[in-house]
Amino acid sequence: QKEVEQDPGPLSVPEGAIVSLNCTYSNSAFQYFMWYRQYSRKGPELLMYTYSSGNKEDGRFTAQVDKSSKYISLFIRDSQPSDSATYLCAMVNSGYALNFGKGTSLLVTP
Amino acid sequence: DADVTQTPRNRITKTGKRIMLECSQTKGHDRMYWYRQDPGLGLRLIYYSFDVKDINKGEISDGYSVSRQAQAKFSLSLESAIPNQTALYFCATSGSAGQGYTFGSGTRLTVV
Repeated sequence: QKEVEQDPGPLSVPEGAIVSLNCTYSNSAFQYFMWYRQYSRKGPELLMYTYSSGNKEDGRFTAQVDKSSKYISLFIRDSQPSDSATYLCAMVNSGYALNFGKGTSLLVTP
Repeated sequence: DADVTQTPRNRITKTGKRIMLECSQTKGHDRMYWYRQDPGLGLRLIYYSFDVKDINKGEISDGYSVSRQAQAKFSLSLESAIPNQTALYFCATSGSAGQGYTFGSGTRLTVV
């Protein structure tokens, strides 16, 4: 079993919808949780970063971590066509390198 | 200039050839990483380095080697390329353990 599981989608939503992206993990030692966005033919870019359980909001994006359930989420409000990309969850414990989920492909249609 | 520069951007090589992918960063970070990305498999770690004298194998290091020439430079070599090493390769850098990574634009490698 891979340490980080993420549904690859694809996920298609109409413009303005709320998008929910999720990952589960098995390693309870993970301390830092991140979401990256990757456009086609580009490198991943950091979108959100959280350390503890709870919610973190940045504009239209909210990252949620539930360490007791080993579950993280990214919510996108008022989704836009420009949000169409692949979203990768990632997590790490101190002394190691990031473990990535396989990524969820999101398409927001006008 | 980009924070993380990878060269070449695209490369086609023949089976059995040695090839080097280069990465340089201007972030001033100690930590550097090499990942490969394949459709359906996501990003998988090949090697990582926490400083110039520290090199660690990742999940899929077989068939690859690395060299950390300086704080800013981390190169990946395929000693004898094989077709299943055809993939998109990313270099990244980060500061301390919990900081986000900055990725390069990737090298698309095709082994024929």
